[in-house]
Amino acid sequence: QVQLVESGGGVVQPGRSLRLSCAASGFTFSTYGMHWVRQAPGRGLEWVAVVSNDGNDKHYADSVKGRFTISRDNSKNTLYVQMNSLRADDTAVYYCAKDQKRGAADYYFDYWGQGTLVTVSS
Amino acid sequence: EIVLTQSPATLSLSPGERATLSCRASQSVSSYLAWYQQKPGQAPRLLIYGASNRATGIPARFSGSGSGTDFTLTISSLEPEDFALYYCQQRSNWPRITFGQGTRLEIK
Repeated sequence: QVQLVESGGGVVQPGRSLRLSCAASGFTFSTYGMHWVRQAPGRGLEWVAVVSNDGNDKHYADSVKGRFTISRDNSKNTLYVQMNSLRADDTAVYYCAKDQKRGAADYYFDYWGQGTLVTVSS
Repeated sequence: EIVLTQSPATLSLSPGERATLSCRASQSVSSYLAWYQQKPGQAPRLLIYGASNRATGIPARFSGSGSGTDFTLTISSLEPEDFALYYCQQRSNWPRITFGQGTRLEIK
């Protein structure tokens, strides 16, 4: 069965960096686009970034563009997001999510990890 | 940015009743709309994509309809496990993906 397991969250000071990982199993990782979606405490969902199945195409929400970098290692079945210049409003549970469609992403998320909490605070 | 407005914010119903949740887009999203269910402490679960297609493993009591700017998620007969938060999401102008603010379905 599909499993997505995030790690790397924690408490970080404003302006610092953090890298999250998402280990995938149960499907052919290299054939699906992958996303990060976040949820601030008690708030709704916000899409963050997508990477194509081959890692060559990436897109970001305006709120993180220039600060976050999404990447993947298909040999390790792992998705990453490097988060730099973190701000208090980046505090959220970060979910990795699998795109529903094989090949080019269609931006529907059919499997999600359990999430990892990032708290940006001094 | 396409804004999705969900209504009502909270819906109070009893098991066995029919639930109708609404999602309105600030501009047409064609049929590029999905619905998700989220329970406390859990990740969202995809229910409906393409406005009316049930995702794998989703019970038939869940159905979606609509196109353009007005969409509806209907749960035909509420089961106890259906009481949760529901979000709509559009992918019409990807990668500018947006979600609605959510509707809380609570037990009356």
